Amino acid sequence: DTGVSQDPRHKITKRGQNVTFRCDPISEHNRLYWYRQTLGQGPEFLTYFQNEAQLEKSRLLSDRFSAERPKGSFSTLEIQRTEQGDSAMYLCASSPGGPGYTFGSGTRLTVV
Amino acid sequence: KQEVTQIPAALSVPEGENLVLNCSFTDSAIYNLQWFRQDPGKGLTSLLLIQSSQREQTSGRLNASLDKSSGRSTLYIAASQPGDSATYLCAVKVGQAGTALIFGKGTTLSVSS
Repeated sequence: DTGVSQDPRHKITKRGQNVTFRCDPISEHNRLYWYRQTLGQGPEFLTYFQNEAQLEKSRLLSDRFSAERPKGSFSTLEIQRTEQGDSAMYLCASSPGGPGYTFGSGTRLTVV
Repeated sequence: KQEVTQIPAALSVPEGENLVLNCSFTDSAIYNLQWFRQDPGKGLTSLLLIQSSQREQTSGRLNASLDKSSGRSTLYIAASQPGDSATYLCAVKVGQAGTALIFGKGTTLSVSS
């Protein structure tokens, strides 16, 4: 098992474009989380899936953001009509339901 | 609302020193507390996890303590090495189910040789 994989590692996009990120969790982990981290800050929670069900969404997840986890495997996070304020590191984490989390290396988004 | 604070924001020490990183949280009703390491531009690596019923956890040169009643945790690093240079993040989990972690802003550690 190679851990949590995120793709792409870096994404530069023009303001107003749509972007989609992918997260592949550890295969036996049924819980998947998305966080966003801006420079000098700790990660902030965006959303959480248990299997394919999206059980919790933060107020940070505006209507321009959507996340899916079809079939309870990989997950995608889409940002529509990107804004400069969306520039951040987007981190995915998975958990088997116990106390520990495994984080991916993140996708760094730069909106120009 | 749970808030997590880490002090200091940055710390520079010479190699070989023992050091303590501090984390405080406003609501003592936590499920567990976790310390992570983050290298520049990278994801998070879990270092130690302390359940709410535990007082401390140790892994190699690292020791984390938890005083839930006072809302404090410390991460002790013994005999620091340049390879320990990174940002250290503290996070609390407030519920048993899939609730999210609440992070502090981190302490950036620099160990000089």
